[in-house]
Amino acid sequence: TQLLEQSPQFLSIQEGENLTVYCNSSSVFSSLQWYRQEPGEGPVLLVTVVTGGEVKKLKRLTFQFGDARKDSSLHITAAQTGDTGLYLCAAYAKGSQGNLIFGKGTKLSVKP
Amino acid sequence: EAGVAQSPRYKIIEKRQSVAFWCNPISGHATLYWYQQILGQGPKLLIQFQNNGVVDDSQLPKDRFSAERLKGVDSTLKIQPAKLEDSAVYLCASSLTSAPTLSYFGPGTRLTVT
Repeated sequence: TQLLEQSPQFLSIQEGENLTVYCNSSSVFSSLQWYRQEPGEGPVLLVTVVTGGEVKKLKRLTFQFGDARKDSSLHITAAQTGDTGLYLCAAYAKGSQGNLIFGKGTKLSVKP
Repeated sequence: EAGVAQSPRYKIIEKRQSVAFWCNPISGHATLYWYQQILGQGPKLLIQFQNNGVVDDSQLPKDRFSAERLKGVDSTLKIQPAKLEDSAVYLCASSLTSAPTLSYFGPGTRLTVT
């Protein structure tokens, strides 16, 4: 069974702080996605990482795919209250035609 | 471009009752997914349609859950009879083709079974 373990489960920080959340697995994935989900809404795709060691930046968010393509991290610089939400990592199940496997997510709260 | 539409947004029912959810995917999207998201967990795929055919329903509890996409556009997910553990958010997503590609999620239907 392919599992995605996310840590920490909860994170509460002050506006302006930096943070990193992690997504780990014992399985190798061809690609990995990060989503943000706000209360009452569905997940919204932030980024897809494909190549081992790849680093992608989206404004203040930096995503990294591990060299072995088993893990990924999301770093937020100078967090803002608008970054509050549930951050989910996801990957396609081996041999599937669209079965996305999600981690349990990191619930981030950024306080003013 | 209109997003994925779902209704109702909220539903409260008693256990053993029936409930149905509706999803209208983004126009032109051939693939439609239903996910179940239990509080504190990530979404779990229940069923995937390609046009009006089922691609994967391996995680659908078929004794009580059913889904259809008769004309290959909108879809309904039904639970009959509901159990307490079915309380969750039911998310519909669609994509142009099957994976790996970009999926767009609807806002979900929050089901509470009492």
